Amino acid sequence: SQKIEQNSEALNIQEGKTATLTCNYTNYSPAYLQWYRQDPGRGPVFLLLIRENEKEKRKERLKVTFDTTLKQSLFHITASQPADSATYLCASAGGTSYGKLTFGQGTILTVHP
Amino acid sequence: EAGVAQSPRYKIIEKRQSVAFWCNPISGHATLYWYQQILGQGPKLLIQFQNNGVVDDSQLPKDRFSAERLKGVDSTLKIQPAKLEDSAVYLCASSYSGTSGSGEQFFGPGTRLTVL
Repeated sequence: SQKIEQNSEALNIQEGKTATLTCNYTNYSPAYLQWYRQDPGRGPVFLLLIRENEKEKRKERLKVTFDTTLKQSLFHITASQPADSATYLCASAGGTSYGKLTFGQGTILTVHP
Repeated sequence: EAGVAQSPRYKIIEKRQSVAFWCNPISGHATLYWYQQILGQGPKLLIQFQNNGVVDDSQLPKDRFSAERLKGVDSTLKIQPAKLEDSAVYLCASSYSGTSGSGEQFFGPGTRLTVL
C-alpha cells in the first residue's frame, strides 16, 4: 500500500522567508497529490492539487512541484507570514478507489515575527 | 455555501461503551468520507461512500465500527464497543464526485472522542 512521508515533523522559519515542505511517496506514482492546511481544532482545508504529468503549480504565494523520478513533492510558501503557521498535510490519490487519499503525518510550520 | 456539519464536537465515554457520530455533507456532494485522525498523525480513511453505496471500507475495523449513509445524504459512524485506542478525532469529508475528476475534499470540524 502507498506510504506518504513528510520528512519534517516541525519547521520553524522567520517571517518573510520561504518555507519548503517535503513529501515523499514509496510505491506507485499517484494520479495526483494534494496539499491541505490544518489549524488546531479544525478539519483540513484544501490548498493545491498537482497531477503526475505536471511539474509545477502555483497559487498566490504557494507553489508545489511533483518529481516522479524522486517520488517527491515540494510545497513552498514564499514571503511567509505568522498567519501561515499551521500543520500542512500532503495526500496521495489513486490506487483502487478513485478519490481515496492517503495522508502523510503532516509538518507543523511556525513562522516567527 | 454551508460547509460539512458534524456532531457532536466532543464526546467522552468509558471503554466498552458505544458511540455514534453524525455527518451532513455539502449539498450535492455525492462522495462522503470518514477519517480517523490520531493526535500527531494525518487522517486515515475509514470508509468512503459514493451516494449510499460503499466504495472502500478496507481500513474500517468491522468488528467494532459500522457506518451507513441512508438516502445518500447524511451519514452515521458508530463504534461498539469502544476501546482506549479509539481515542481520536473523527473527521467527515465530502467531495462533488469521487469517481471522476480529482475533486478536493471538504472537511468538517471533526468530533474529538476520548475513551477512558
